[in-house]
Amino acid sequence: QKEVEQNSGPLSVPEGAIASLNCTYSDRVSQSFFWYRQYSGKSPELIMSIYSNGDKEDGRFTAQLNKASQYVSLLIRDSQPSDSATYLCAVNKGGYNKLIFGAGTRLAVHP
Amino acid sequence: ETGVTQTPRHLVMGMTNKKSLKCEQHLGHNAMYWYKQSAKKPLELMFVYSLEERVENNSVPSRFSPECPNSSHLFLHLHTLQPEDSALYLCASSQETGGATGELFFGEGSRLTVL
Repeated sequence: QKEVEQNSGPLSVPEGAIASLNCTYSDRVSQSFFWYRQYSGKSPELIMSIYSNGDKEDGRFTAQLNKASQYVSLLIRDSQPSDSATYLCAVNKGGYNKLIFGAGTRLAVHP
Repeated sequence: ETGVTQTPRHLVMGMTNKKSLKCEQHLGHNAMYWYKQSAKKPLELMFVYSLEERVENNSVPSRFSPECPNSSHLFLHLHTLQPEDSALYLCASSQETGGATGELFFGEGSRLTVL
């Protein structure tokens, strides 16, 4: 079983719609959770972090965490073509930034 | 220069060559990382240096040899690589404060092709 699992996609949504990206993790000791965005040919950049159960909102982005179900999600409201990228879910089990990444979900937002 | 810079951006080498990848961070961070990114596979953590001391080595083959001479510089020395080592090698840095923020700042990567 992979430590962090994501659907590879592509997830195709129309402009203005809500994009929903999902991630599951296997290790219950995971403490903190992150979403990185990677544009084609570019390096990953952190867009959201979440540490406790519930929702965390930042602009058009909402991260959701359910530790009992070992599930993390990212919602992107009012999706724009510029949101088209691969979204990487990452979990941190340790006391320093030892991140375990999923393989990523490719999102395509079409006009 | 700002952020995390990696050189070279592209490297082609034969299986018997010796080469090095260089990473420099201009963010004042105290931890640096090497990740390997292959197509359709998750980012793989290779090495972690915190305060110039190696704290993590994820069972990486000995043909990869890291070096961290100071908190701003990180090298990955390569020798007798295999074609399956062809990948994008990403360097990252972070500021360790005793908590795990998960905020890694990545360089643009070095695309390695092993013939």
